[in-house]
This record gives sequence, C-alpha cells and structure tokens, in this order.
Amino acid sequence: GAGVSQSPRYKVAKRGQDVALRCDPISGHVSLFWYQQALGQGPEFLTYFQNEAQLDKSGLPSDRFFAERPEGSVSTLKIQRTQQEDSAVYLCASSLGVLVANEKLFFGSGTQLSVL
Amino acid sequence: AQKVTQAQTEISVVEKEDVTLDCVYETRDTTYYLFWYKQPPSGELVFLIRRNSFDEQNEISGRYSWNFQKSTSSFNFTITASQVVDSAVYFCAFARSNDYKLSFGAGTTVTVRA
Repeated sequence: GAGVSQSPRYKVAKRGQDVALRCDPISGHVSLFWYQQALGQGPEFLTYFQNEAQLDKSGLPSDRFFAERPEGSVSTLKIQRTQQEDSAVYLCASSLGVLVANEKLFFGSGTQLSVL
Repeated sequence: AQKVTQAQTEISVVEKEDVTLDCVYETRDTTYYLFWYKQPPSGELVFLIRRNSFDEQNEISGRYSWNFQKSTSSFNFTITASQVVDSAVYFCAFARSNDYKLSFGAGTTVTVRA
C-alpha cells in the first residue's frame, strides 16, 4: 500500500489478556517507530527499529511490552497481561532514513486499545 | 530534558477567521529541530513543517504560516482564512539534532465551524 497500515483498527481486551498489534510500514523504509497516545495527549515514544534491529526500547512502560521486526519490514507490538492503564492509541510510524531531523515521518492511523 | 508546551487545549473559530496556535519549547541544545503535525479525525499524523534552530525565517505555505522566534523559544503556527477541513488536532514537536525521537506537545484541538 501507499501508506503505513496498522491492524486491527480497534481492539477490546479483557484485563489480563495478551494482545498483538501489527504495523506494515511503507516498503523500503529503514526506520520504524511505535508511539503511545493517551486520550487528550500527544504521542509518547515507545521504541525504535532500524531495519530489524531494535535500537531503542527506552519508552516501553514495562516488561509486559515487547516489540519485534524480524525481517526488517512488518513489526508487531505485543502487550502481555494487559492492564487498564494500557488503554491508548498505539501509533506506528516509518521513515526512509534514520535521523528525524532529515526525514519526514509517515504515521499509520493507529490501533485504539481499550482494556476492560 | 526537552519539553514542548502547547498552552491552548481547544480553539473554536468560524470559517474564514484566522487562528494562531502557540508552541513553546525548552532545551539546552543549540542545534535542534521543530515540527508541526496535523491529526485529523482519521487518526494518522500528517507532517506539516520541519524547521531547524538556525533558520529563523518565517515560512508561508498557502494558508499556513509559521513564526519561529528563538529568543522566546516559540514556534507558532497560523492558519489564515480557516476552513472546515482544517478541523483537527495540531501537535508541535521537538527533536535533537542527532536523534530519531520526537517529543510532542499535548496538542491543540481546532474546530472550524461553518
């Protein structure tokens, strides 16, 4: 596709359930980012991949959050034992190069996760 | 640490009015980048502009204009003659010069009424 695709668009999970969120970046994009956006707030950085290498996971809130990008294209964000505070929109973004100063980020529409 | 503040939570205007969105940032870096992104109801953030700290020239793109003032650490955004399609959440963001992360403000929701 022409843009960044995320699925599912909406996910409702019961507390304690595991969830997996998928991101298909723009083909050929080296950099891939996950951001978390709480209601009424700006996106907060979670993690960064350069090709298949996860170079920064400093924003992941806890060890229940895990992300991977095994072949340097599609990425999955997994949340184990979901809690109510995990409810948010999870945004994926990709860029052709590395430094955000030189690159335009392309964002997906996000996955809205609601934990009941 | 870097911080981006968008003091205006919501702005409501009537079509054709001008609207200015404020953005103030804090940093000790001398080289950095500032951005504006638009988030329409569909959810994806759309890049509007990138400006580096050494370029204080104001920029105009159609109905959009940006005023960067390093002396007051501000990077304000004006929509001239607003239209209903401008209704969205607008985010100001900051990046260090050699970084890949964006730090976003909390956003300003703009509603343009017909």
